Amino acid sequence: EVQLVESGGGLVKPGGSLRLSCAASGFTFNSYSMNWVRQAPGKGLEWVSSISSSSSYIYYADSVKGRFTISRDNAKNSLYLQMNSLRAEDTAVYYCARSHGWTPSNYFDYWGQGTLVTVSS
Amino acid sequence: QSVLTQPPSASGTPGQRVTISCSGSSSNIESNTLNWYQQLPGTAPKLLIFSNNQRPSGVPDRFSGSKSGTSASLAISGLQSEDEADYYCAAWDDSLNGWVFGGGTKLTVL
Repeated sequence: EVQLVESGGGLVKPGGSLRLSCAASGFTFNSYSMNWVRQAPGKGLEWVSSISSSSSYIYYADSVKGRFTISRDNAKNSLYLQMNSLRAEDTAVYYCARSHGWTPSNYFDYWGQGTLVTVSS
Repeated sequence: QSVLTQPPSASGTPGQRVTISCSGSSSNIESNTLNWYQQLPGTAPKLLIFSNNQRPSGVPDRFSGSKSGTSASLAISGLQSEDEADYYCAAWDDSLNGWVFGGGTKLTVL
C-alpha cells in the first residue's frame, strides 16, 4: 500500500525557516517524481514544487522560487522541502504527492495527509 | 487568480447529473492532459480522473471527464450525497514549467 506521511510543520515567525519531510513507503521511491502542493486555510490547491525521480529536473512555483528548496534522498525514501524567508502568505497545509511515473508532468496519483505550516508573529 | 478557471460552486439533487467546467489555454489544457481531484471535507485530495477521461480503479463510472481544445469538463451522473466535495482540475503548463490548478468548485447536493 502506498503511504506518504508528511512531518515538520508548525508555527514559525515571519522570516523564519522550516524543513518539511515526507516519508514514502509501499512503492519503489526512486522510480517516481514527487511534488509539494499547498492549501491555504479555506482556499484552493496551489502547486509548490516538483522533483524528478533522480533529482535531474526540479521546478518551482514563482511564489516560492528563491526561498524554497525541494530535495529527496532515495536511499531513505524521503522527500524534503526547505522553506526559508517564510511569509504570512505561506501559511497552509502542505501535501506531499506522488507523480505517476518518473517525470514531474505526470498526474498526482497519491497524496499524503498534509502538515500544517503557520507563519505568524 | 487561478490559471485554470472553474465555477466556484455547483449543485444538484440526488440522482441528477451535474457538470463542472474547467477553462485554460494553449499552454496547459490544450497541450497536456487534464486531471481532476476530489477533496472531501477535512481530507486530502484524491485523484478522480486522469488523462482527460480515465478513472482510477475504485472510482465509480458515474464520474466522467472530457476535454476539447482549451476546455474540459467533469460530469457526475446519478448524484449522491457522498459526492458533496470540492473538485479541482489540474494540468501541466508548458509556459510556466509547472502545474496549474483551477480555483476549485464546491459541489453541494441539495
